[in-house]
Amino acid sequence: NAGVTQTPKFRILKIGQSMTLQCAQDMNHNYMYWYRQDPGMGLKLIYYSVGAGITDKGEVPNGYNVSRSTTEDFPLRLELAAPSQTSVYFCASKPVPGANVLTFGAGSRLTVL
Amino acid sequence: AQSVTQLDSHVSVSEGTPVLLRCNYSSSYSPSLFWYVQHPNKGLQLLLKYTSAATLVKGINGFEAEFKKSETSFHLTKPSAHMSDAAEYFCVVSDPIKAAGNKLTFGGGTRVLVKP
Repeated sequence: NAGVTQTPKFRILKIGQSMTLQCAQDMNHNYMYWYRQDPGMGLKLIYYSVGAGITDKGEVPNGYNVSRSTTEDFPLRLELAAPSQTSVYFCASKPVPGANVLTFGAGSRLTVL
Repeated sequence: AQSVTQLDSHVSVSEGTPVLLRCNYSSSYSPSLFWYVQHPNKGLQLLLKYTSAATLVKGINGFEAEFKKSETSFHLTKPSAHMSDAAEYFCVVSDPIKAAGNKLTFGGGTRVLVKP
């Protein structure tokens, strides 16, 4: 199994550009999450989804959008990129509500200049 | 509200010596607690978890952690460090009431350096 796959691994954006971080999982997990990790900080939840067609905001959703058209895919869109969005982004998933153990992707490092 | 404090941002140990990573938490409920490890340029991997069963939890790669409710601590230990243990470690607390929304709170991380 591939687990959770994120693309791209690295990206440099100019201020005001837009892009989509892709996340796909092949474990048939209902729950998927996007986190950002800033230096010296723990992970902060951006958005999450409990199933296809259902998404909700986390702690730091401003500047981001998500969609969940299929169980497998959970893309994160950045509109009008800002330097404050320079971070490492992690996608994660889990199968059921009570299972708190997440499977993480390898991360996407984004730099906004 | 819940919070997690990792008391050391960096820990340096010599290979073969014990490792101690300290974590204190606060939670309004009986929490679930986790330790995750992140190797360079990799995603987070679960080391171990506490979910109200035995207070001494054994994980992968020789790590273990002890849940002490009276001290609100969940320190991670390993008797003998290996070079491959060099990584960043995160202590995480989960609010069981809001498990659907995955209200995980991450500590700031402890970076472990292992010297030969």
